[in-house]
Amino acid sequence: GQQVMQIPQYQHVQEGEDFTTYCNSSTTLSNIQWYKQRPGGHPVFLIQLVKSGEVKKQKRLTFQFGEAKKNSSLHITATQTTDVGTYFCAFVTGGGNKLTFGTGTQLKVEL
Amino acid sequence: NAGVTQTPKFQVLKTGQSMTLQCAQDMNHEYMSWYRQDPGMGLRLIHYSVGAGITDQGEVPNGYNVSRSTTEDFPLRLLSAAPSQTSVYFCASSRTSGRTDTQYFGPGTRLTVL
Repeated sequence: GQQVMQIPQYQHVQEGEDFTTYCNSSTTLSNIQWYKQRPGGHPVFLIQLVKSGEVKKQKRLTFQFGEAKKNSSLHITATQTTDVGTYFCAFVTGGGNKLTFGTGTQLKVEL
Repeated sequence: NAGVTQTPKFQVLKTGQSMTLQCAQDMNHEYMSWYRQDPGMGLRLIHYSVGAGITDQGEVPNGYNVSRSTTEDFPLRLLSAAPSQTSVYFCASSRTSGRTDTQYFGPGTRLTVL
């Protein structure tokens, strides 16, 4: 079956440092979504990538979809305490009816 | 719009008890789903529905039932609670079940089974 690994599981950074989380799939993905979950909160949609090699930016966040559509990354430049939370990738399986989430990367930002 | 609402926010059950977690959305979304979240395991799909009257199993359906009698509501029933069902439960909805739709999540229900 389709497997998606999300790494790292945890990341502690000093405020101002950069952060990257990766999702790696064993099979080609049709699209990938990214969500952020603040501590004690619920997942909130960030972005969706569909095209091979696609790059999208949201302020300090950069999202990439690999050329082979088997991997994706989320990069945060100059982290802030507001970036604290868990970042999940998600992709569709089952003919477009099931959204599967990666295991998430928990980001902690220290002053 | 209230978006996706879930009740209760917290619940403690004893082993063997049954209960229903409520989920409602006011966005006229076709697609609704239930996830459970456990530490280190991300979000796992329990059941989903692509429209009123249609439901299907996700990754971890055992011990749970769902129904979708209206577009707005998608309750999750625990038939006989077990400690392994201690988790945070999230309901989500999207406009359609298509591959490109954003999922909107409710605030979650934190369930403890003793």
